[in-house]
Amino acid sequence: GENVEQHPSTLSVQEGDSAVIKCTYSDSASNYFPWYKQELGKRPQLIIDIRSNVGEKKDQRIAVTLNKTAKHFSLHITETQPEDSAVYFCAATADSSYKLIFGSGTRLLVRP
Amino acid sequence: DTEVTQTPKHLVMGMTNKKSLKCEQHMGHRAMYWYKQKAKKPPELMFVYSYEKLSINESVPSRFSPECPNSSLLNLHLHALQPEDSALYLCASSQDNPTNEQYFGPGTRLTVT
Repeated sequence: GENVEQHPSTLSVQEGDSAVIKCTYSDSASNYFPWYKQELGKRPQLIIDIRSNVGEKKDQRIAVTLNKTAKHFSLHITETQPEDSAVYFCAATADSSYKLIFGSGTRLLVRP
Repeated sequence: DTEVTQTPKHLVMGMTNKKSLKCEQHMGHRAMYWYKQKAKKPPELMFVYSYEKLSINESVPSRFSPECPNSSLLNLHLHALQPEDSALYLCASSQDNPTNEQYFGPGTRLTVT
């Protein structure tokens, strides 16, 4: 089955710097890759997603890149702000499956 | 309405109790999910309902019993739980498959004493 690995487990950056979180997946059939942000005590919320027919997607300060050949995808946050502090989960799934497989999470701390 | 609601927010129950968690969505989604989340861990899939039929049971112990009374409602019946079942239980929904965005509810914080 699918396995998703996520790194780093914790990331501390200065406000205004960029943050990058990386994930690798194992199942070449996976074709949908969402990123969720979960603040302490809150629900996971989708912040951006990418499908396998696209190499990059951007939404304001957030971007995701996908390398299908290497089976990895990354989240890029530019001009980080303290409110970006949260746990970020990557995930992967395929059309043929109802199972969304999550990475282990990255705790991002943005220092003011 | 792009919201999934869950009740109760918090639940404390003894190991001999029977209780139910409830989830509701009015987005017309046909797939609904139960996840369990322990502290500092990702959500762990328990059950998936597609078009009101159970399509995935991730080998969950029978003390957890899901029910989908209609396309908007999802219940999780709890009986004879163990302290290790204490966790955040999240409900989610999506259009008919998970390659569409999954919307999560706020969760029920369950403590088993």
